[in-house]
Amino acid sequence: SQQGEEDPQALSIQEGENATMNCSYKTSINNLQWYRQNSGRGLVHLILIRSNEREKHSGRLRVTLDTSKKSSSLLITASRAADTASYFCATGKLRGGSEKLVFGKGTKLTVNP
Amino acid sequence: DVKVTQSSRYLVKRTGEKVFLECVQDMDHENMFWYRQDPGLGLRLIYFSYDVKMKEKGDIPEGYSVSREKKERFSLILESASTNQTSMYLCASSLLGGSSGELFFGEGSRLTVL
Repeated sequence: SQQGEEDPQALSIQEGENATMNCSYKTSINNLQWYRQNSGRGLVHLILIRSNEREKHSGRLRVTLDTSKKSSSLLITASRAADTASYFCATGKLRGGSEKLVFGKGTKLTVNP
Repeated sequence: DVKVTQSSRYLVKRTGEKVFLECVQDMDHENMFWYRQDPGLGLRLIYFSYDVKMKEKGDIPEGYSVSREKKERFSLILESASTNQTSMYLCASSLLGGSSGELFFGEGSRLTVL
C-alpha cells in the first residue's frame, strides 16, 4: 500500500521553466525524502526534510513540507533537458515493528529543449 | 564513491527456474533492501535486512526469499520463477534505518521470465 502519492503523474515543460511536483501522504511522518530516477536506472537521493522543517534547498531544488496538510512539494527551478526523469517521494511506514521507507508512484518529468 | 552493485543488469529465465539476484555494497551499511518496480505500481518492498542473518518481510514477500550471510551482500532468491515476477528489481542500502536513512540504490536488474 502507498503512503505517499505524487501529483501530477506526468509533467512536460520547456527548458528554463520551473517544474513543481507534489506529494501527499496519509499518516504522520518523521521525515520525507525525494528521489530521482533516470529511465531504466536506479534511484538517486535528492533531499531529506524532517517533520520540524518547512523548507529546504539544494542547488536548483527547493522542497517544502506542510505537515498540517500532509503534503510536500519539490520545485526545480530553471529546468534543463538533463532534469528529464521520474521523481519519487518516500515516507516512513511501520512494518514489522520498525519504520521502513515507502515510495509513491512517481511523477514523470519531461523537459523539452 | 559509494556503490551498490547488482550482479546482472538483464536476465532472461524460464518458468520454474531458480533465480539468484546478487547485491553488494561497499559502504559498511547495516540495512539492505530489495524492491521491485512495475509500471503503474511504483516501488514495492519485498524484503529487508538490518543485520547479518537477519531479515524481515516487506509488503510483497510471497514467492521470494533472501539471504544475508555477510554484511556487504544481500541476495534475493526466486525459488521457482513465474511470469508474474517479470520486473525490475532494485537493491538498496542505508546507514540509518527507517525514514532517517538515505537509500543508495544499485542500477537495477531487469528480469524477464518466459
